Amino acid sequence: DGGITQSPKYLFRKEGQNVTLSCEQNLNHDAMYWYRQDPGQGLRLIYYSQIVNDFQKGDIAEGYSVSREKKESFPLTVTSAQKNPTAFYLCASTLTGGSQPQHFGDGTRLSIL
Amino acid sequence: EDKVVQSPLSLVVHEGDTVTLNCSYEVTNFRSLLWYKQEKKAPTFLFMLTSSGIEKKSGRLSSILDKKELFSILNITATQTGDSAVYLCAVEALILGGGGADGLTFGKGTHLIIQP
Repeated sequence: DGGITQSPKYLFRKEGQNVTLSCEQNLNHDAMYWYRQDPGQGLRLIYYSQIVNDFQKGDIAEGYSVSREKKESFPLTVTSAQKNPTAFYLCASTLTGGSQPQHFGDGTRLSIL
Repeated sequence: EDKVVQSPLSLVVHEGDTVTLNCSYEVTNFRSLLWYKQEKKAPTFLFMLTSSGIEKKSGRLSSILDKKELFSILNITATQTGDSAVYLCAVEALILGGGGADGLTFGKGTHLIIQP
């Protein structure tokens, strides 16, 4: 079945450690997005990518990095520079060039040890 | 700065009641307004609205957009316990300096609880 797969579901980070969250889609979507969701808050955009080998910062990119080497994959690295990384991270994708809704993965919950 | 405001932030009703959730917005370069339902995990898509005054329906859910007054409502009739969730409103707009990309700005969501 087509969809967006995020892994792991739960992740724990030690102080000073970088961690990478995986996002894979087999929907042949061009655009991919990373959001962060905090309790009682809406989703906030971290990074997005419209095509392979290109990505742009969103509203809260500091302390995060991404890559887009393949169309299907858009991993997010939470670096040690992100001082408050505990949150629910959601990956989304959509087709470009037309009005299509973004579809979401099941998310990764990141906590600090 | 683009802004999306949902109200109420939380709502508790009894099964069978009808509820109306509100979403107002201020964005530049509006493309569409979307409603999502979020239970424990991924937000699931409900509606995408681009034109004013045209109601979209799916079973007991319906939604309408007013582009003049800059708001949308989501109605749920004959509510069931399975409707309990956070309902997210998002507005899609052109990202300035984003190379033609569209981005979503989300409201904080309405946490709906349906009591048996």
